[in-house]
Parts: sequence; C-alpha cells; structure tokens
Amino acid sequence: QMQLQESGPGLVKPSETLSLTCTVSGGSIISDTYYWAWIRQPPGKGLEHIGIISHTGRTSYNPSLRSRTTVSVDTTRNQFSLNLRSVTAADTAFYYCTRLTTVTFLDLWGRGSLVTVSS
Amino acid sequence: QSVLTQPPSASGTPGQRVIISCSGSSSNIGDNYVYWYQQLPGAAPKLLIYRNDQRPSGLPDRFSGSKSGTSASLAISGLRSEDEADYYCAAWDDSLSGNWVFGGGTKLTVL
Repeated sequence: QMQLQESGPGLVKPSETLSLTCTVSGGSIISDTYYWAWIRQPPGKGLEHIGIISHTGRTSYNPSLRSRTTVSVDTTRNQFSLNLRSVTAADTAFYYCTRLTTVTFLDLWGRGSLVTVSS
Repeated sequence: QSVLTQPPSASGTPGQRVIISCSGSSSNIGDNYVYWYQQLPGAAPKLLIYRNDQRPSGLPDRFSGSKSGTSASLAISGLRSEDEADYYCAAWDDSLSGNWVFGGGTKLTVL
C-alpha cells in the first residue's frame, strides 16, 4: 500500500528557502495515473494548494506562490521536493505531500510536516 | 479569504442528519467537479467525496455529496461522535491561470 512521508527542517529563518522532500513508498512515483502535489495549512486555518508535478517533471503552480516556488521530482529515489524561497512568518504551516489523480483529486496524503518561519 | 465559502461551524446530535454547504462561482463549482475532505483533529485530511457525489471504496454511505449550479453540499446522516472533524470542499478554478481552490472549512461538533 502506497505511503507518503514528508521530511525536512522544522525551522527556517525569514528570507531563506524552505525545502521539503516527500518519499513515496509501497509503489512507484513513475505513473501515468498519478501526479504529486504539495498542500499547506497554517495552524488553525484552511488548506492551500502550492504546486503539482508529474513523474516527467511537468509542473503546475498556485499563481499566488509561483514566483517563489519550485517543485521537482527524482524518480531514481522515488521522491519529489518543494522549495519555497524568501519565506516570511506567513509561510509557517503544516506542509503535506499528496497524490493526485484526475478522477479523485487528492486521494492520498502524508502525515504532514510543520515548518515554522522564525529567526 | 477563501475562494469557496463554507459556514465556519455546524453541529448536530447523534443520529441526526447534518448538511454542510459550499458556495462558489461559475469559474469553479459551476463548471468543475467538487471534492470533500474530512480532517480529524491532529490528522491529515482524508478524501470523502470526489466528482461531486462519488464515494471512495470503503466509505460509509452515511456520507453523500451533491452539487447544484455554483453550490455544493455534503450530507452526513446517522451522525456519530467520530464524525466530529473539520470538513473542506475543493474545486478547480478556471479563472486567471487556473488553480485548485478550497473552502475555509467547517468545524462539525457532535453534541
């Protein structure tokens, strides 16, 4: 059964880059059925789409975050990653990696990783 | 400010039927499928409904979804204490460059 697991620093300084990796286990990231996405949720608040990537590297980003975001994929490691540049306190959130299909949308989620932006 | 509008809270007693609404526009709900997610306290969201009214395998039929025009609803019948959670709607939005958008979430309390 496929599982997703986020990893990365829990604390990032303002103006620096937030970097997270999602490891896919129990199945291959190479799939024409699945895409891979990052979603975030500030503590106590709602959900926000960040970006989506296919195993071929094709990406789609939230227009409000596009200028600061890069999502990449490493098929040899069965991982995909998020880089969010020039962070501020407003970027403090739980970051979830998810699996996306064109039918079910986000149908599998990692447990989430809390990233705090603070000096 | 979320693109999709949900009531911040809802409540019901065990056994009751509760309906959670999600209001959007022609560029999102009006033209695209709606999805619903349940988030239990301290957990990641879980898919409840996809393509307006479809349930993933294994999900109890107490949960049902519907859509009409630019609004959608999630109905939970036979309310149980374990249904106490946050519920979010989502849809694709065709405006500007296109984006997935979510509702602000509805906190369901089982009294």
